Amino acid sequence: DTAVSQTPKYLVTQMGNDKSIKCEQNLGHDTMYWYKQDSKKFLKIMFSYNNKELIINETVPNRFSPKSPDKAHLNLHINSLELGDSAVYFCASSQGGTGGKETQYFGPGTRLLVL
Amino acid sequence: AQKVTQAQTEISVVEKEDVTLDCVYETRDTTYYLFWYKQPPSGELVFLIRRNSFDEQNEISGRYSWNFQKSTSSFNFTITASQVVDSAVYFCALSGYNFNKFYFGSGTKLNVKP
Repeated sequence: DTAVSQTPKYLVTQMGNDKSIKCEQNLGHDTMYWYKQDSKKFLKIMFSYNNKELIINETVPNRFSPKSPDKAHLNLHINSLELGDSAVYFCASSQGGTGGKETQYFGPGTRLLVL
Repeated sequence: AQKVTQAQTEISVVEKEDVTLDCVYETRDTTYYLFWYKQPPSGELVFLIRRNSFDEQNEISGRYSWNFQKSTSSFNFTITASQVVDSAVYFCALSGYNFNKFYFGSGTKLNVKP
């Protein structure tokens, strides 16, 4: 059973297009995240939702819009894609809280290439 | 400010050697959490260990061991008798008062050669 899943795994698209990445977790977690990993492998948080509420919103262009229809899903929509958006995007989830509940579990990543 | 430094960009060892990956962190929070993740060539991020700031006991799990020292703000990871399958990028991460927000180090790429 896949704990945190993402679709698609690979995404190749042209500059200017709009695309979405979907994430689902079956761990029963309350908190979900989106991270961006650049070509140098640096991982940076973009957004976090807890029970469908936005709790972390880093300095990310407003072309990126997360949406959480329910606590098991967190999707990422990107408008007007730019070359610099090429990266690996990871979804993660955690139970939320402390005492071990802050541990984040990651999906397999979505490799986005903007041409 | 929260910060994690992994000064070793890349390490190469021969199979069966022991190797230590360094992690130094900065935080003003009295309660914080430290993590190690492994990213093998296939790309996924695998959780390895979590430590809270009140628990300085070292931990051993098979060939893996972790040394947490608050006095030097370090949380180092040692692989004993390394194997080719250990080849990966290893990330150290910190979360503090806002325990949802992880700060990752830049990663250390470990190459284990046969």
